[in-house]
Amino acid sequence: RKEVEQDPGPFNVPEGATVAFNCTYSNSASQSFFWYRQDCRKEPKLLMSVYSSGNEDGRFTAQLNRASQYISLLIRDSKLSDSATYLCVVDSSGTYKYIFGTGTRLKVLA
Amino acid sequence: SQTIHQWPATLVQPVGSPLSLECTVEGTSNPNLYWYRQAAGRGLQLLFYSVGIGQISSEVPQNLSASRPQDRQFILSSKKLLLSDSGFYLCACYHSGTSGNTDTQYFGPGTRLTVL
Repeated sequence: RKEVEQDPGPFNVPEGATVAFNCTYSNSASQSFFWYRQDCRKEPKLLMSVYSSGNEDGRFTAQLNRASQYISLLIRDSKLSDSATYLCVVDSSGTYKYIFGTGTRLKVLA
Repeated sequence: SQTIHQWPATLVQPVGSPLSLECTVEGTSNPNLYWYRQAAGRGLQLLFYSVGIGQISSEVPQNLSASRPQDRQFILSSKKLLLSDSGFYLCACYHSGTSGNTDTQYFGPGTRLTVL
C-alpha cells in the first residue's frame, strides 16, 4: 500500500460546481498534512495546511479524519483558474520529510 | 520570506554526460534543503535532504549525488546520466515560523531535464 494515495482523476467539473478530493495515508503517526497546488510544468505551491479541527480559506475547506486516516479538500464555486493538480502531502515522521501523493487533476470547464 | 533560485531552467543532455544542478536560497539561514524529482505523470520523489553544510541524506540509491558546500547552496550532480534521469528536478526549503508563513516546504521553480 502506498504511503499516500489519491485518485488521479481527472475531475472535469463545470464552473460554479463544488468538488471534493480525498487522500488516504497509511502511517497513523503522521503529524502534519497539507494540500499543494501544481500547475502544468510549474513547481508545487502550498494551498493550505490541514488541521485536526478543519480549516477554511475562502472557497477552500480542508479536513482531517485521523480515525479513518484521510484528508479532504473541498472547493466551492469552482473557477476556471482552479484547474490544476492538487497534491496531498503528509509529514509522516515529524522530521519535515514529506510524502507526496501523485496528485488529483482538476479541470474546470466553462 | 525566503526565495529559492534554481538553474538552469531547462537542460537537454546526452546519455553518459555529467550533470550539475544548483539551488540557492535567500532570506533564511540554516535551512533544511531538499532535492525532489518528478518524472512525467508521476509524483514527487525525494532524492536527498540536508540539515546543514556537508550533511546529506540520500533517500533513493541511484547514480545521483548531492552536496551542500555553503549554508544556502545545494547542488545535485551525476557523473553519467541515464535515460531514466529525465524529469523535473525541484529544490525545496523548509520554512519555519516567521513572517506569518506556514511552516512547510517551499519550492524553487525547478529544472526540467531531458536525457537523450
